[in-house]
Amino acid sequence: DAKTTQPPSMDCAEGRAANLPCNHSTISGNEYVYWYRQIHSQGPQYIIHGLKNNETNEMASLIITEDRKSSTLILPHATLRDTAVYYCIASLDQFYFGTGTSLTVIP
Amino acid sequence: EAGVAQSPRYKIIEKRQSVAFWCNPISGHATLYWYQQILGQGPKLLIQFQNNGVVDDSQLPKDRFSAERLKGVDSTLKIQPAKLEDSAVYLCASSQQPSFNEKLFFGSGTQLSVL
Repeated sequence: DAKTTQPPSMDCAEGRAANLPCNHSTISGNEYVYWYRQIHSQGPQYIIHGLKNNETNEMASLIITEDRKSSTLILPHATLRDTAVYYCIASLDQFYFGTGTSLTVIP
Repeated sequence: EAGVAQSPRYKIIEKRQSVAFWCNPISGHATLYWYQQILGQGPKLLIQFQNNGVVDDSQLPKDRFSAERLKGVDSTLKIQPAKLEDSAVYLCASSQQPSFNEKLFFGSGTQLSVL
């Protein structure tokens, strides 16, 4: 699996878009980019994943750069319930979590 | 659809005692994972099963940890004997297949405190 680098913490105002970056410069051509989040005292929750193209679902959007060396998870209208640790994983078939980004949504 | 079930939710033991955790994955999911999450850290993969066979146990401390998945459904993770540093949340996850383009579904975990 490719190593990923994320900022340890970020703040976002409620109602604004939260943009969470992830660097995965050593990603191989067939490794997907996955995003999970973990709300306190719960197991991680799947958010979104992609290979090359940008992806969008009901929770978030995933923007992957053309060279695939980095990506951004976008929560379009952050709410207080989005306060969590967000993990970016670059993987083919095994899921190794780093320390993630602790996002705090501020009222 | 029922999620991944884990029990117990909490466990407190003394060092050198034994402990076991149980996991029931989502029905039909072939792949099962056990993770250890120490406070302030991300989940660490301990072992991955495909049906009842082990795919990856490279990070499992085999001198004290063991895991099995009988009949390719439920799984148990055992620690014997426990050490203080084993205090953590033990998470179970499952997916339909082990390959790429699959999402993991996690249980709520078992919080273990070793005194």
